[in-house]
Amino acid sequence: SQQGEEDPQALSIQEGENATMNCSYKTSINNLQWYRQNSGRGLVHLILIRSNEREKHSGRLRVTLDTSKKSSSLLITASRAADTASYFCATVRNFGNEKLTFGTGTRLTIIP
Amino acid sequence: KAGVTQTPRYLIKTRGQQVTLSCSPISGHRSVSWYQQTPGQGLQFLFEYFSETQRNKGNFPGRFSGRQFSNSRSEMNVSTLELGDSALYLCASSLRSRGGTNNQFFGPGTRLTVL
Repeated sequence: SQQGEEDPQALSIQEGENATMNCSYKTSINNLQWYRQNSGRGLVHLILIRSNEREKHSGRLRVTLDTSKKSSSLLITASRAADTASYFCATVRNFGNEKLTFGTGTRLTIIP
Repeated sequence: KAGVTQTPRYLIKTRGQQVTLSCSPISGHRSVSWYQQTPGQGLQFLFEYFSETQRNKGNFPGRFSGRQFSNSRSEMNVSTLELGDSALYLCASSLRSRGGTNNQFFGPGTRLTVL
């Protein structure tokens, strides 16, 4: 079963705008990761945030984590057409555990 | 370094048959995990192998099995295929080093269609 849900399920924005996706999960975690998937292909790792971190940046990506609310958000700034993809959050429950429990995903479409 | 490779990329089988999928991890990676992705259930963890041993297992029936070889390559097998086994099967490799949180690198997947 999946750990949680992502919101919204689908998002369409104009190129250049910012995109925000949210992820909620159910159990305590060691870390939370975000992945991108293009058209049913493999997953690409974007960013990892540990349970003792609140915010992390990587290029145009900003991730926040609120463990009290069991939620995370991914912000993509200055979106590009190439950002069109599905985005998934995934949690790791315990340190040293490789198992990823994925959310339901957000389908992001960037309109040129 | 070459990425994670999966073979075959596409496969069509009929109900009742069995299938074997292969995954070659990134050189030096010793952990291989398998995931099933379907429109209805999303991405679900199947199992993880490390040093030729199954370290973790998801909630799938016994028809789903796997193994890992001494060179870290892994295979998964699905016996007595059902229509619901149609899915994208993804494998991921990582270093699984001690004391670290390891990023996982995914292969392109094998698209299995059961008719």
